[in-house]
Amino acid sequence: GAGVSQSPSNKVTEKGKDVELRCDPISGHTALYWYRQSLGQGLEFLIYFQGNSAPDKSGLPSDRFSAERTGGSVSTLTIQRTQQEDSAVYLCASSFQGSDTEAFFGQGTRLTVV
Amino acid sequence: DAKTTQPPSMDCAEGRAANLPCNHSTISGNEYVYWYRQIHSQGPQYIIHGLKNNETNEMASLIITEDRKSSTLILPHATLRDTAVYYCIVRVSTSGTYKYIFGTGTRLKVLA
Repeated sequence: GAGVSQSPSNKVTEKGKDVELRCDPISGHTALYWYRQSLGQGLEFLIYFQGNSAPDKSGLPSDRFSAERTGGSVSTLTIQRTQQEDSAVYLCASSFQGSDTEAFFGQGTRLTVV
Repeated sequence: DAKTTQPPSMDCAEGRAANLPCNHSTISGNEYVYWYRQIHSQGPQYIIHGLKNNETNEMASLIITEDRKSSTLILPHATLRDTAVYYCIVRVSTSGTYKYIFGTGTRLKVLA
């Protein structure tokens, strides 16, 4: 596609429910990143994929958070047993692999846990 | 942790050049400096990046000091639409993996 696509754009869920957030990266981009941005805050790194593997999961805040990527393309971020503090905008970005490449971000999924 | 420090906010008059500074004194020799901006409620937008040499594109210019410990993003003729939070990022490389660590950025307000 023309850019990074994320769905849904907005999600309201009840505390304790599981949610899945989807990211469709730019075609051909092997690197994929997930970030979280709480209201009024900067971007917090969550996880990085190279192809289907995740060599850097250092930013996942708890074991309730997991992510996978299939076919070197679409990625899903899953949050289990959501808590109110999980409310944030979840941003996905993709890039070519390498040190001299720029990442392009999607518009994010705004998650609200009530 | 972010490897960059930026002033929290700046104002610039419309039509004038906006010069946004960034300190990255612990940058390693092979780490690039990237600039992104985020307009309210949107995903970050890539602006420019560089290693050692100054860079220019249709959006901005990037001036990197010879010792690479600081850089300046220049928007040559700021418009109201350039009002945004600007992030200076050193892309961290660890064992062949790369990630962008965002700091708190500079909130630029372009004034009419």
